[in-house]
Amino acid sequence: NAGVMQNPRHLVRRRGQEARLRCSPMKGHSHVYWYRQLPEEGLKFMVYLQKENIIDESGMPKERFSAEFPKEGPSILRIQQVVRGDSAAYFCASSPPPENPGPVYEQYFGPGTRLTVT
Amino acid sequence: GEDVEQSLFLSVREGDSSVINCTYTDSSSTYLYWYKQEPGAGLQLLTYIFSNMDMKQDQRLTVLLNKKDKHLSLRIADTQTGDSAIYFCAERDFNKFYFGSGTKLNVKP
Repeated sequence: NAGVMQNPRHLVRRRGQEARLRCSPMKGHSHVYWYRQLPEEGLKFMVYLQKENIIDESGMPKERFSAEFPKEGPSILRIQQVVRGDSAAYFCASSPPPENPGPVYEQYFGPGTRLTVT
Repeated sequence: GEDVEQSLFLSVREGDSSVINCTYTDSSSTYLYWYKQEPGAGLQLLTYIFSNMDMKQDQRLTVLLNKKDKHLSLRIADTQTGDSAIYFCAERDFNKFYFGSGTKLNVKP
């Protein structure tokens, strides 16, 4: 059973370009979370999605950032017109549906995408 | 949102015990977690504790929870160089996790 997969692992973009980060959850997991980790900081929650539905986007910047989790395919975090301050590691995590959370309701993390904006 | 705080650095010698501390603010958290992040990798769940427990032991790891003071600690016995990593504590509020800024553990041989 493959873990959470993210690609690309490293992404370099010039200011003003778009960045697309992909996340494939673990098999059987229908919930996806995106976190951002700035250098020397912890992970900050951005958005929580289930398929075709955004559950909570309270951590997403209001402009330039969007996320989706279509019925088929990976979840996508999209950053338009990137700026230097967007340089960070972006982590995706997945979990089983809430009605079957297991004893701990653990989130399983992907290896992250390290975005560098030049 | 909830505040989870940790000290940033800890340095120990191989074979010693390491104690990483964390304070949190949400008294309604059901589970509290410790994650480990190795360089260039994602977070790996190390252990967790249910909020009605005071202590949990798992091989070299001991988690202590002081609910009154909202203080959580992770003790690593017989620390090895392979334990060098960043350790995050986290609390959960429904489906959202709140992470501390991480404690970088450096183990000197």
